Amino acid sequence: GEDVEQSLFLSVREGDSSVINCTYTDSSSTYLYWYKQEPGAGLQLLTYIFSNMDMKQDQRLTVLLNKKDKHLSLRIADTQTGDSAIYFCAPASGGSYIPTFGRGTSLIVHP
Amino acid sequence: GAVVSQHPSRVICKSGTSVKIECRSLDFQATTMFWYRQFPKQSLMLMATSNEGSKATYEQGVEKDKFLINHASLTLSTLTVTSAHPEDSSFYICSAPHRLAANTDTQYFGPGTRLTVL
Repeated sequence: GEDVEQSLFLSVREGDSSVINCTYTDSSSTYLYWYKQEPGAGLQLLTYIFSNMDMKQDQRLTVLLNKKDKHLSLRIADTQTGDSAIYFCAPASGGSYIPTFGRGTSLIVHP
Repeated sequence: GAVVSQHPSRVICKSGTSVKIECRSLDFQATTMFWYRQFPKQSLMLMATSNEGSKATYEQGVEKDKFLINHASLTLSTLTVTSAHPEDSSFYICSAPHRLAANTDTQYFGPGTRLTVL
């Protein structure tokens, strides 16, 4: 099965950029999602990228995909305190839409 | 975007009782829904796939007699934790797939239910 690895914590200053990295193992991952989870809440789909894309930008969010290295990153520009949450990288492999989740990266934004 | 609701958001019960959690897709139909379990500071673990009109499919290691799933309609799935014990305390999250873009479905998640078994 798919294994997804993320660093557990990231701390940044408000206004700086945040970069959250993720590695996965299944090269047949077709859709790669980023979800955000605020404390005590469910998951909110932030953005996604298809495996035939290298980059996708959506307002403050930029997703980079290195398919050869099976590496995915999420960059948040001008990070705000409201961005503090856990971010999950979730690739869906084999053409299915059922994602596999890593343990998530807890983003802490300091004022 | 698509909305999925869960009820209740939080429940505290005594050991040995059964607890029912509802998951509803509010503005779309879902023939399939998914139930996840999340421990503190851990990832989401897929427990089972709920199928409208047929039996649920459980992941390896999940007791189907312990976690009863019923997909009563195209907008409602229920998870019943039977004879709950303290080790069943967890955050339970459901999701439903919905069309994101052409030829692409993605999971929309409910807000979760915090179960505490005393």
